[in-house]
Amino acid sequence: DAKTTQPPSMDCAEGRAANLPCNHSTISGNEYVYWYRQIHSQGPQYIIHGLKNNETNEMASLIITEDRKSSTLILPHATLRDTAVYYCIVRTRSSNTGKLIFGQGTTLQVKP
Amino acid sequence: DTGVSQNPRHKITKRGQNVTFRCDPISEHNRLYWYRQTLGQGPEFLTYFQNEAQLEKSRLLSDRFSAERPKGSFSTLEIQRTEQGDSAMYLCASSLEALMNTEAFFGQGTRLTVV
Repeated sequence: DAKTTQPPSMDCAEGRAANLPCNHSTISGNEYVYWYRQIHSQGPQYIIHGLKNNETNEMASLIITEDRKSSTLILPHATLRDTAVYYCIVRTRSSNTGKLIFGQGTTLQVKP
Repeated sequence: DTGVSQNPRHKITKRGQNVTFRCDPISEHNRLYWYRQTLGQGPEFLTYFQNEAQLEKSRLLSDRFSAERPKGSFSTLEIQRTEQGDSAMYLCASSLEALMNTEAFFGQGTRLTVV
């Protein structure tokens, strides 16, 4: 599975959009981009995933560049409850194990 | 609540003691995973089960660690002769493996402190 690179930390004002970048320059054609987040003292929570098209759900939007070497997770109106560590993970959907390889993620601090 | 349940949430034990954690996955999920997370790091994969079969173990899983999933339902993770380096959050996740893997759902974790 491809490795990802994320900034260690970011700040965002409450009510503004939070844009979290992820680089995955070695991604292969059958690998998806997954985002999870982990609020303090809780288990990771699935947010969204995508292959090459932009995706949106009730939590966030995922924008993947045309060459698929990077992506951005967008929280459109960040709240204090969105303060968490955000993990970008790249893996195939058909991997034998389904295990997730976490990096250190981006710590997002939403400020009032 | 039909999410992944882990017990206990917290465990403090003396070095050298044995500890056992339990994970109850989402009922229809056939895959179950154990991860370990130390402070400031992302979760690290330990092992996974498909139904009752343990199909992969990480090199992180030393001989003092053993995991079981009898009858393909709940799972236990036992650590024998605990060491201070075992202090961590132990996370359980489950997913439904069909033609394609679905997203994994995590429990709240068990925080182990070895003193």
